[in-house]
Amino acid sequence: RKEVEQDPGPFNVPEGATVAFNCTYSNSASQSFFWYRQDCRKEPKLLMSVYSSGNEDGRFTAQLNRASQYISLLIRDSKLSDSATYLCVVNQISSGSARQLTFGSGTQLTVLP
Amino acid sequence: DADVTQTPRNRITKTGKRIMLECSQTKGHDRMYWYRQDPGLGLRLIYYSFDVKDINKGEISDGYSVSRQAQAKFSLSLESAIPNQTALYFCATSDLAGGLNTGELFFGEGSRLTVL
Repeated sequence: RKEVEQDPGPFNVPEGATVAFNCTYSNSASQSFFWYRQDCRKEPKLLMSVYSSGNEDGRFTAQLNRASQYISLLIRDSKLSDSATYLCVVNQISSGSARQLTFGSGTQLTVLP
Repeated sequence: DADVTQTPRNRITKTGKRIMLECSQTKGHDRMYWYRQDPGLGLRLIYYSFDVKDINKGEISDGYSVSRQAQAKFSLSLESAIPNQTALYFCATSDLAGGLNTGELFFGEGSRLTVL
């Protein structure tokens, strides 16, 4: 089982739609959580952190469910410019007992006109 | 100019050749990382360095070595390249508060390596 799992998609949604991505993680000792965005053929960039109480940044809402070990990202009123791959990232103890950022393989979103 | 610069951006090489990927940064960060990205597998950590005298293995260090020549420079070497090292390689940096704490890594634009 992968340490961080995401539905790879692709998710194809019309402009203005609401879309949600989930991500599950296997290590219950994971401490912090993040969403990154990666445009096609570009480098990943931090989109937002995920706080225990949930947090919102404009049209983006991130939530954490520690009991079920998943995080989610909700995008409201999708724009064409939201088309990208969204990477779930978890701060957890990895091989060698060092705490590291572990990346999911990403969920691809295409917003259609 | 990019804050994190990788060279070369694209490289095609043959099995058994030695390859070096270079990374330099102008962000003044102490921490530097090398990741590889493969379709369906996400980003995986190869090596990381928290300062000039510090080198640590990541999840998939076999077949790779690194050198931290200065605070701003971190190079990745493949001593004898093999086809399954074909991937997109990213260098990243973070400050002391970043990385594990805030989760913010600053990535270079990537180096696409193809090993034939």
